[in-house]
Amino acid sequence: QKEVEQNSGPLSVPEGAIASLNCTYSDRGSQSFFWYRQYSGKSPELIMSIYSNGDKEDGRFTAQLNKASQYVSLLIRDSQPSDSATYLCAGPNFGNEKLTFGTGTRLTIIP
Amino acid sequence: SAVISQKPSRDICQRGTSLTIQCQVDSQVTMMFWYRQQPGQSLTLIATANQGSEATYESGFVIDKFPISRPNLTFSTLTVSNMSPEDSSIYLCSAQGLGQNYGYTFGSGTRLTVV
Repeated sequence: QKEVEQNSGPLSVPEGAIASLNCTYSDRGSQSFFWYRQYSGKSPELIMSIYSNGDKEDGRFTAQLNKASQYVSLLIRDSQPSDSATYLCAGPNFGNEKLTFGTGTRLTIIP
Repeated sequence: SAVISQKPSRDICQRGTSLTIQCQVDSQVTMMFWYRQQPGQSLTLIATANQGSEATYESGFVIDKFPISRPNLTFSTLTVSNMSPEDSSIYLCSAQGLGQNYGYTFGSGTRLTVV
């Protein structure tokens, strides 16, 4: 079983709507999680990190972590065409610092 | 977050040769990581590079094929040895800043094509 599972998509969302991206993880000891955005031909860019249960908001982005249910999600409000990219969730693997990445979700914002 | 300069950005190499990829971080970092990303796929961790000790390799990756150096807290290299077309991929280095909650940042990547 993969340590981090991500709903693979692809996902298409109308401009201005909310895009919802989800990941589940297997290691209950995992402490922190990260969301990366990757444009085609570019390297991953860190957009959100979260390590406490609940929500963390940063502009149009909200990360949600539920340790009891072992899932982490990313909400993008007021989606823009520039949000079209692949989104990767990542978490520490079995308590050490190396990151395991989900398979990624390709998001397309439709104008 | 740390800023990482990675080079070369791309290269086309003959099979059987080797290529060394360099990553320079603008601050001291505890750990550096090397990933491979095949087209359309997610990132696969090759190895973790710690300063002053041998790199730790993931299953399926060996030191003879991917030797790594980490001479100090700001620099690391990955060599792809005896290349074959199957090694064509994007290679990325990553670093974690000091403290558990610091984000991990990536270099700009090296697009390798083996012909």
